[in-house]
Amino acid sequence: SQQGEEDPQALSIQEGENATMNCSYKTSINNLQWYRQNSGRGLVHLILIRSNEREKHSGRLRVTLDTSKKSSSLLITASRAADTASYFCATDYVLGETSGSRLTFGEGTQLTVNP
Amino acid sequence: DVKVTQSSRYLVKRTGEKVFLECVQDMDHENMFWYRQDPGLGLRLIYFSYDVKMKEKGDIPEGYSVSREKKERFSLILESASTNQTSMYLCASSLPAGGATYNSPLHFGNGTRLTVT
Repeated sequence: SQQGEEDPQALSIQEGENATMNCSYKTSINNLQWYRQNSGRGLVHLILIRSNEREKHSGRLRVTLDTSKKSSSLLITASRAADTASYFCATDYVLGETSGSRLTFGEGTQLTVNP
Repeated sequence: DVKVTQSSRYLVKRTGEKVFLECVQDMDHENMFWYRQDPGLGLRLIYFSYDVKMKEKGDIPEGYSVSREKKERFSLILESASTNQTSMYLCASSLPAGGATYNSPLHFGNGTRLTVT
């Protein structure tokens, strides 16, 4: 499978703590994206990090990308109960020289932030 | 804000019925996508379209077809619904950047939960 794999599958923390989720993938990518999904809803884009970038920030979110290890991490600092959701990484990987690319989603990490 | 609207949140259909799932976006995006989401399998791409009347098969196109007659609307059609098509269906749109399909974020609708009995 070419898809990214998130780790852990589930994470439960207290409000105020930091949450770290990891994503590993198998082949070269153009970019890696993180999405969030609240129960029964569509996905919401959080951050896109390109293959030549190593770190990106957005508010309380920090994403790192290590292309040598084919891995990424999403850090949510000072978590809140409202951060409870599933978090997905999606990798834009190259299908072939003339075949374009495909965005493939992992199965997600279920984050629960307890008040 | 980009708005992607899926016509139904919940749908119950019978085996063999022809089913239409509609998706409309309001941001003039060229790219539109249909995914299905199943527990343990994540999101899988069914079809995508990069322009009006253009379509490309995704990873699991069997049993589905699509229609894109207008830029803002992308329809998913189940020609003859089967129970294994019971799933959450998610539509998304994006603006292509740098000539690449996935170089910008996808904007998703809230999904249609389809049950085929």
